[in-house]
Amino acid sequence: SQKIEQNSEALNIQEGKTATLTCNYTNYSPAYLQWYRQDPGRGPVFLLLIRENEKEKRKERLKVTFDTTLKQSLFHITASQPADSATYLCALERNYGQNFVFGPGTRLSVLP
Amino acid sequence: DVKVTQSSRYLVKRTGEKVFLECVQDMDHENMFWYRQDPGLGLRLIYFSYDVKMKEKGDIPEGYSVSREKKERFSLILESASTNQTSMYLCASTPALAGDNEQFFGPGTRLTVL
Repeated sequence: SQKIEQNSEALNIQEGKTATLTCNYTNYSPAYLQWYRQDPGRGPVFLLLIRENEKEKRKERLKVTFDTTLKQSLFHITASQPADSATYLCALERNYGQNFVFGPGTRLSVLP
Repeated sequence: DVKVTQSSRYLVKRTGEKVFLECVQDMDHENMFWYRQDPGLGLRLIYFSYDVKMKEKGDIPEGYSVSREKKERFSLILESASTNQTSMYLCASTPALAGDNEQFFGPGTRLTVL
């Protein structure tokens, strides 16, 4: 059956460290994978998109990798700050780009 | 500033009522989506539309219908609300070829069915 998982429901890290979040999927073949940030009571906000032929994408302190063999994406936040505390969602493209399936999310807390 | 707006932030309805959730986007996007979000289950796709008057079922369409009479507006309808439809409802839009584009989300409607 098809499944998309994110490494843990909650992750606590110390300010200044690198946060690494994982997205694993089974029985999907996405051409694109996206990461979103969601704050409590608000809609998700797009962060990064990575294509299947791209190994890595960076944007400021954010880095995403995409390994289609392992069926895994890693999302890194370097030099993390308390303001980075939020829930992070991965989303896979499916049905030839028609729509998306989301992972359950990881709630990140960056402790000062 | 691009915007997706939803008609209500909070809504309380009674079991059996007909409920309309409205979503409007001002970006001239072709694709629009309705999701519900529940703790531990993430966002689940209810319906989506890739053009005016077109609609496609998502993963959990049972108990819902949609309407897209104009490009900028996508409505979600609960014909007879039930308590298990208590949830956060999120609308989103993208340009054509959704998979290669970011989704713009509205602020969400928290619906409680009593």
